[in-house]
Amino acid sequence: AQSVTQLDSQVPVFEEAPVELRCNYSSSVSVYLFWYVQYPNQGLQLLLKYLSGSTLVKGINGFEAEFNKSQTSFHLRKPSVHISDTAEYFCAVIGPGYSTLTFGKGTMLLVSP
Amino acid sequence: DTAVSQTPKYLVTQMGNDKSIKCEQNLGHDTMYWYKQDSKKFLKIMFSYNNKELIINETVPNRFSPKSPDKAHLNLHINSLELGDSAVYFCASSQGRTGGRDEQYFGPGTRLTVT
Repeated sequence: AQSVTQLDSQVPVFEEAPVELRCNYSSSVSVYLFWYVQYPNQGLQLLLKYLSGSTLVKGINGFEAEFNKSQTSFHLRKPSVHISDTAEYFCAVIGPGYSTLTFGKGTMLLVSP
Repeated sequence: DTAVSQTPKYLVTQMGNDKSIKCEQNLGHDTMYWYKQDSKKFLKIMFSYNNKELIINETVPNRFSPKSPDKAHLNLHINSLELGDSAVYFCASSQGRTGGRDEQYFGPGTRLTVT
């Protein structure tokens, strides 16, 4: 079965500091990986995705993620966060033979002044 | 123009009642989904439809019945509501068939509270 582990349930940071949200997945075959963001009381929105090719993926709002096959990780980074980045971030995976996305349990990013 | 819309946004009802949540997408997508997000924010697929055909039906109680009158609409009807059904329900859509690499577009969610 495919699974996703988001190691941190909550990450508090100060505004303009860098941040990394960690995501590890389990799969013995190639996968597609996604990061979604959920702002308070809203639906999910795609930040970025890895399908193939370059392992460094750039997304919206200055976020980027690096796919590391050997470590089965897809960590999300931003060099300088804003208050408006406060939200829940979900990592998701889908692999061959699976019909649906599997989401991690989410990481709440709390940005304070 | 809202891409994926859901109504109602909030739904408060008593145990034993029957309720429906409606979803519409104006993106021309072929596949639509229902997800349940519990109080711990965990998101789990419930159903998936492709061109009005049921593709995915995860282990969801029979009290939940999706209906897709056309490929732009996917409604969720819930019979005999229970306390454990309290959650936020999200509708989503994607261009490709379930299991593909396409982005899913989510609606704003319906917060269901069963008392």
